[in-house]
Amino acid sequence: EAGVTQFPSHSVIEKGQTVTLRCDPISGHDNLYWYRRVMGKEIKFLLHFVKESKQDESGMPNNRFLAERTGGTYSTLKVQPAELEDSGVYFCASSQVARTGGSDTQYFGPGTRLTVL
Amino acid sequence: AQSVTQLGSHVSVSEGALVLLRCNYSSSVPPYLFWYVQYPNQGLQLLLKYTTGATLVKGINGFEAEFKKSETSFHLTKPSAHMSDAAEYFCAVSSFLGRLYFGRGTQLTVWP
Repeated sequence: EAGVTQFPSHSVIEKGQTVTLRCDPISGHDNLYWYRRVMGKEIKFLLHFVKESKQDESGMPNNRFLAERTGGTYSTLKVQPAELEDSGVYFCASSQVARTGGSDTQYFGPGTRLTVL
Repeated sequence: AQSVTQLGSHVSVSEGALVLLRCNYSSSVPPYLFWYVQYPNQGLQLLLKYTTGATLVKGINGFEAEFKKSETSFHLTKPSAHMSDAAEYFCAVSSFLGRLYFGRGTQLTVWP
């Protein structure tokens, strides 16, 4: 069974440009999460999809970030326009529907390292 | 609200020595607790988790952790370190909706 995949693995862009990150979750997983780790800091939650619906987007930093999950399969995270502070590693994770809230294992992708110059 | 504190951003041990990585949490609800490991150029991999039941949880690669409610701790241990254990380790607590709150991570170095 394929794991969570993310594309690209690295992206280097200039301030003001647009970047789109993609995540393909494990097949059949309804839950999809985005997290970000800024250098030297902890991994922080960005948002959570259940199928194609946004369950919780309280972690999104500002309106320059737009996440979509069309058809409840893969997800994209667009940053437009990118700023220097957006640099970091963006992780995607997926899980099956939990029987009890919060106990389900999240499976992580390898991350996309974004550098904004 | 949930939060996690990992004591020690870097831990170094000799091969064969005990590994102890510390994690304390804060949670307003009964916690679900996780330890993840990240090897270079890979994603986070689940080592073990505590949901309910037995407070001593065994995970992969010989790791285990004990949930101590009175101390709000979930420390990770391994009796004998191996060179292949060198990686970054993350403790996390989840919210009811599944959102994970992570500590800052502990980089484990194993010396031969």
